[in-house]
Amino acid sequence: SQKIEQNSEALNIQEGKTATLTCNYTNYSPAYLQWYRQDPGRGPVFLLLIRENEKEKRKERLKVTFDTTLKQSLFHITASQPADSATYLCAPPWGSSNTGKLIFGQGTTLQVKP
Amino acid sequence: GEEVAQTPKHLVRGEGQKAKLYCAPIKGHSYVFWYQQVLKNEFKFLISFQNENVFDETGMPKERFSAKCLPNSPCSLEIQATKLEDSAVYFCASSRSTVQRGIQYFGAGTRLSVL
Repeated sequence: SQKIEQNSEALNIQEGKTATLTCNYTNYSPAYLQWYRQDPGRGPVFLLLIRENEKEKRKERLKVTFDTTLKQSLFHITASQPADSATYLCAPPWGSSNTGKLIFGQGTTLQVKP
Repeated sequence: GEEVAQTPKHLVRGEGQKAKLYCAPIKGHSYVFWYQQVLKNEFKFLISFQNENVFDETGMPKERFSAKCLPNSPCSLEIQATKLEDSAVYFCASSRSTVQRGIQYFGAGTRLSVL
């Protein structure tokens, strides 16, 4: 069955450094993949969407890559700030059903220290 | 509205009682999704609607769960005879489209505590 794996250990980095979060998927090939941010007590907030024919997508300090050979997406935050501290969720669509339902990874919690 | 509104924020029920959660999607969005988040970060898809029609209900435990999206009313998710394992945060999300640009906008969630 489809499986999404994110590094479940918290990632602690110093302010100003680049944070890199990993999302690996197995047993299928999603047509696209989304990244969301979730703060405690809040719902996920959409950040970026990358399609299978795109290698890289950028938005301000955020960058996402999609390697369909490695079955992996990397999420980068450059010049990180304490306000970037949150849980980041990788969310491809579920299989090939194209009904839009998402399958979420377990998330990686990022802590940026000043 | 410009954001997905979920009510109530927190709901406490005794085991066996009924629970009803509400979701008002963003105006103009045709699709509504319900997810259950158990423990810290495990999301489970429950059901989705295209306007008032069920679009995908493959995640729905049909014995006790039901959901509706009626015109001019908030969508609802109802759990009959709640069980301890139903304790979770239930998120509603809305989307303009599901086809490869299916960005979903989430509400703040309803925390259901079954005692």
